[in-house]
Amino acid sequence: SQELEQSPQSLIVQEGKNLTINCTSSKTLYGLYWYKQKYGEGLIFLMMLQKGGEEKSHEKITAKLDEKKQQSSLHITASQPSHAGIYLCGADKDGGYNKLIFGAGTRLAVHP
Amino acid sequence: DAGVIQSPRHEVTEMGQEVTLRCKPISGHNSLFWYRQTMMRGLELLIYFNNNVPIDDSGMPEDRFSAKMPNASFSTLKIQPSEPRDSAVYFCASSGGQLSGNTIYFGEGSWLTVV
Repeated sequence: SQELEQSPQSLIVQEGKNLTINCTSSKTLYGLYWYKQKYGEGLIFLMMLQKGGEEKSHEKITAKLDEKKQQSSLHITASQPSHAGIYLCGADKDGGYNKLIFGAGTRLAVHP
Repeated sequence: DAGVIQSPRHEVTEMGQEVTLRCKPISGHNSLFWYRQTMMRGLELLIYFNNNVPIDDSGMPEDRFSAKMPNASFSTLKIQPSEPRDSAVYFCASSGGQLSGNTIYFGEGSWLTVV
């Protein structure tokens, strides 16, 4: 079955700094989802990548899927305290777009 | 859109009691998912419905857990009898498939504590 490894497990950065979170799969990814979660809240959808080499951006967050479709990165430019939370990558375990399995998450803290 | 709506948001119950969690998916979505999140195991898929039919329940931990989707706008996850190790956050999610760009939207979660 598909497993997703996220790194780092946790990250503390100073406000204004850039950062990157990685998500690596043991198998080819057919759909890679990025979500953000704040404590006590649900998962907020950020982006979904499907094609090798695809890159999407939303405000200061950019996500990329490599050409082999086995690794994705989430990059935050000029981080702000509002970016703090847990970032989760998810992918379908059977190669579709439905039954997502998730990585363990990356806990991000942004200090003013 | 109101998003995926779950209830209750928080529940504390005694071991052995029946627990029922409820979910209203986004209108028009044809897929519904139940997930469980714990510190130890992270986010786990319990069961997946498509057009109200259970497609994959391989993640349901044991017979004490059951899920139903009597219609397109309502689903329940039931635990009977509940045990302390069932304490977790239970999320419901829905998707409209290709019609919604294959995006899966999550509810706010139901925080369950079994004492």
